[in-house]
Amino acid sequence: EIVLTQSPGTLSLSPGERAALSCRASQSVSSNYLAWYQQKPGQAPRLLIYGASTRATGIPDRFSGSGSGTDFTLTISRLEPEDFAVYSCQQYASSPYTFGQGTKLEIK
Amino acid sequence: EVHLVESGEGLVQPGGSLRLSCAASGFTFSIYAMHWVRQAPGKGLEYVSSISSNGDNTYYADSVKGRFTISRDNSKNTLYLQMGSLRVEDMAVYYCARRAAGTALYFDYWGQGILVTVSS
Repeated sequence: EIVLTQSPGTLSLSPGERAALSCRASQSVSSNYLAWYQQKPGQAPRLLIYGASTRATGIPDRFSGSGSGTDFTLTISRLEPEDFAVYSCQQYASSPYTFGQGTKLEIK
Repeated sequence: EVHLVESGEGLVQPGGSLRLSCAASGFTFSIYAMHWVRQAPGKGLEYVSSISSNGDNTYYADSVKGRFTISRDNSKNTLYLQMGSLRVEDMAVYYCARRAAGTALYFDYWGQGILVTVSS
């Protein structure tokens, strides 16, 4: 099973700042089959990125994904108030398809 | 617009049963594989079960295998999860999710989730 470790657990930033969230895999994620999701309380999770770097439909270009192999990063270039949420990564390269434990992005 | 709405929320005792439903709208339900994903309090998301578009193929996480059954009714645009022999560790918010088109196993739309509480 591929274990995904996200860091930091909590990231405190201000609107307008840049956020970099890490997702590290215990073994290589083949074909960069890695996705990122945004979760807000009481709302449906939202797909942001798939294939490590492809933005999903309707996702603003301030969100970008990068990385390969075992190290992946979600970057939010300039934080908007609506971006403060929990972000989770998921690998879909090998079964079982696992998620990271999440990074909470909070307002400083 | 794609909508997934879960129902069947409840409090059940350990060893009990519960059936969750997920009503889909805004897309051709019958051509998409569907999934259940859960999140226990304070934990990350966990992939629980999946079913192919025609219902012929199913998958279960080891943690629920033999206790949960996934099914679908394409005539009603509804996904189900029959949960049995429930344990305290099954307590979580359960989400239904649509697999993105193609073969890649990520989820492009999710429901808002439904809370399952297992407690005596």
